Amino acid sequence: DQQVKQNSPSLSVQEGRISILNCDYTNSMFDYFLWYKKYPAEGPTFLISISSIKDKNEDGRFTVFLNKSAKHLSLHIVPSQPGDSAVYFCAASTTDSWGKLQFGAGTQVVVTP
Amino acid sequence: GAGVSQSPSNKVTEKGKDVELRCDPISGHTALYWYRQSLGQGLEFLIYFQGNSAPDKSGLPSDRFSAERTGGSVSTLTIQRTQQEDSAVYLCASSRTLGEVKNIQYFGAGTRLSVL
Repeated sequence: DQQVKQNSPSLSVQEGRISILNCDYTNSMFDYFLWYKKYPAEGPTFLISISSIKDKNEDGRFTVFLNKSAKHLSLHIVPSQPGDSAVYFCAASTTDSWGKLQFGAGTQVVVTP
Repeated sequence: GAGVSQSPSNKVTEKGKDVELRCDPISGHTALYWYRQSLGQGLEFLIYFQGNSAPDKSGLPSDRFSAERTGGSVSTLTIQRTQQEDSAVYLCASSRTLGEVKNIQYFGAGTRLSVL
């Protein structure tokens, strides 16, 4: 059963604009959330994370927002750049689960010039 | 090595054959994980190792799947009597330690398995 869901398989955005990627989860025990980025023929690479004790975490152009009551998180990329074109995976875990990650299906982002 | 290395990068096999997939984690990483990604799906967790031990094998899809890790380093995922539904990209990741979710998992590029 899919506990982490990314309902938008793709997103197209113009360079310089904001990209907003959404992720929903069903397991209220999740308390740690991560975003990974994947280029073709490469493994996923860690992008940014957030603990459930926070509602926002920012790292440069990337900001993750967490709404625990709605079981929803989002990743904002501002401004979007052509190099951001990749598949973005949302992942969730519990702090007592020894690092097992539950992944969403991913969102393909295409940044156009 | 500098990163997680997986081999082969691509594997085409006939239904019913056995395959072995190899993972070399980042040097010094004690925790190792296997995931697979089927077409259009997210990454599905299979198994993890702390050192050479795999305490929980419940994520393996069937008893045709097995994994081992030797010397706290290299891991091998073996699929016996492959079926077409085993076709997927198999990804390996490692992290410094187990038990702390904040330890970032570093992924290899994966092995793309195609079962004809």
